[in-house]
Amino acid sequence: AQSVTQLGSHVSVSEGALVLLRCNYSSSVPPYLFWYVQYPNQGLQLLLKYTSAATLVKGINGFEAEFKKSETSFHLTKPSAHMSDAAEYFCAVSDRRDKIIFGKGTRLHILP
Amino acid sequence: DVKVTQSSRYLVKRTGEKVFLECVQDMDHENMFWYRQDPGLGLRLIYFSYDVKMKEKGDIPEGYSVSREKKERFSLILESASTNQTSMYLCASSGHSSYNSPLHFGNGTRLTVT
Repeated sequence: AQSVTQLGSHVSVSEGALVLLRCNYSSSVPPYLFWYVQYPNQGLQLLLKYTSAATLVKGINGFEAEFKKSETSFHLTKPSAHMSDAAEYFCAVSDRRDKIIFGKGTRLHILP
Repeated sequence: DVKVTQSSRYLVKRTGEKVFLECVQDMDHENMFWYRQDPGLGLRLIYFSYDVKMKEKGDIPEGYSVSREKKERFSLILESASTNQTSMYLCASSGHSSYNSPLHFGNGTRLTVT
């Protein structure tokens, strides 16, 4: 069965600092992987998606994620945090046979 | 741009009431989903549908039912609302391949059952 683990329900970084949000997955077959972002009082929107074409995936708003099969990870990064990045971020996995499964989310706080 | 519209942003209902949450998408998507979102639990799938008049149970279907009479509309029904169904409900749709097509979400309905 597939599953997703996001390390840290809350992460705080200073404005301008590196953002690193961690995601590990479990899947019996090569997965599809996603990162979504949810701003306050809104639904989720897609940040980026991995589909095996390239291990480093670039998304919107300067975010990117790297697929590491050996570590079963798909961590989300951004070189320099902006106040507008404050939101909740969800990692999700699909094993090509079933529906998309979401992690429990990480709330990103940006400190001035 | 895909638009998924949920009919209500906020709803307050009494215990035992029958509640309808409506969702409409405008991109002719085959797949539609209902999730509930609770703090610390992330998103949990309630029901989904791959076609008109078709439905499948997700991870937490108890206490809920759904209806999909038209391709663009997917309704979530709480037959007899209970306080433990107080939550944020999110509707989503996706294109042909449900497992690799990105989900497009509505803005959510925050339901309070008193």
